[in-house]
Amino acid sequence: GDSVTQMEGPVTLSEEAFLTINCTYTATGYPSLFWYVQYPGEGLQLLLKATKADDKGSNKGFEATYRKETTSFHLEKGSVQVSDSAVYFCALRSGAGSYQLTFGKGTKLSVIP
Amino acid sequence: EAGVAQSPRYKIIEKRQSVAFWCNPISGHATLYWYQQILGQGPKLLIQFQNNGVVDDSQLPKDRFSAERLKGVDSTLKIQPAKLEDSAVYLCASSSALAGGHNEQFFGPGTRLTVL
Repeated sequence: GDSVTQMEGPVTLSEEAFLTINCTYTATGYPSLFWYVQYPGEGLQLLLKATKADDKGSNKGFEATYRKETTSFHLEKGSVQVSDSAVYFCALRSGAGSYQLTFGKGTKLSVIP
Repeated sequence: EAGVAQSPRYKIIEKRQSVAFWCNPISGHATLYWYQQILGQGPKLLIQFQNNGVVDDSQLPKDRFSAERLKGVDSTLKIQPAKLEDSAVYLCASSSALAGGHNEQFFGPGTRLTVL
């Protein structure tokens, strides 16, 4: 079945540091890939998405590229801020006919001033 | 546009008791999902509705969990009787059937259930 593996946290970075959160997946067909973010006390929010190979999703300075050859969708940001402290979830949605999301376990990011 | 509403936000019950959660999706969203998020894990789909019909309930523990969406709008999820391992955050999400819309699910704030 479908699965998502993302790097375990927690991750602690200083402000303005470079961020990478690794995500790899296993799926049949051609899934869509997502990063969701969960800020403290809030619900899940879509951060970015990519629907086909080589697509790059980007939002709020975050980027991730859909790499079919390595089945990866790593999240990156060049300079993190304290306000980026949250839990980040990588997820996939399988091909046509199924709309359910399969999530990774989440990576908690803490950014310190 | 109002987001997905859920209530209650928190619930504490004893094992073997019953509990119900309510979700009101974004207006016009035909698809509604219930997820269970155990501490330290990602959300896991329990059930998916398309209007008032069930699309996927393969991961719903049907001996104790039930869900309905009678009028194709709001939905309730019930646990009866609850077990300690049901302690989790229960998330409701909705998505639109418009072209490409199913690529984005909008999540509610969740209901945090603690079973003692």
